[in-house]
Amino acid sequence: GQQVMQIPQYQHVQEGEDFTTYCNSSTTLSNIQWYKQRPGGHPVFLIQLVKSGEVKKQKRLTFQFGEAKKNSSLHITATQTTDVGTYFCAGRAGNLIFGKGTKLSVKP
Amino acid sequence: NAGVMQNPRHLVRRRGQEARLRCSPMKGHSHVYWYRQLPEEGLKFMVYLQKENIIDESGMPKERFSAEFPKEGPSILRIQQVVRGDSAAYFCASSPLAVGSGSLYEQYFGPGTRLTVT
Repeated sequence: GQQVMQIPQYQHVQEGEDFTTYCNSSTTLSNIQWYKQRPGGHPVFLIQLVKSGEVKKQKRLTFQFGEAKKNSSLHITATQTTDVGTYFCAGRAGNLIFGKGTKLSVKP
Repeated sequence: NAGVMQNPRHLVRRRGQEARLRCSPMKGHSHVYWYRQLPEEGLKFMVYLQKENIIDESGMPKERFSAEFPKEGPSILRIQQVVRGDSAAYFCASSPLAVGSGSLYEQYFGPGTRLTVT
């Protein structure tokens, strides 16, 4: 069946360092969404990418959708302690399939 | 505008009992999705419902699990004869329109119900 793989599973960074998480699908996606889940919290929608090669920015966050619409990335510039949490990608080819997430910890 | 409501937030059940989880979607949303999240794991799709209809239950175990979204009232996820492996966080999400191919609508998640089976 369709799979969405996300790497790395964990990432520990020093505050101020950059962070990137990658998402890969076994099939072409119609769109991809990114969510953030704080420890003990629930997933919160961040953004949706639809077009091949699309790049969107939200302050220090940059989201990309690959040309083949099979992969995506989230890059955070100069991490802050408020960025702590698990970042999930969710790809659509029918239902929304979530990756297992990348858990980010930031050391002050 | 209240968000997605789920109750109870925490539920403890002994093996063999029934667990009933409730979800009230955001106002104006008629599409509800249930997900299960094991510790340190991602979200696993279980079922997608519209009012009075189950649209897709491909992610739901065939036995012991059932879901409904009646014309009036919240959506219910029911787990009969719970086992320890059912311990997880169960999240409900809603959207205003169908989240299918080409749709641009994100899902709004509730706070989840943490089920513990002892």
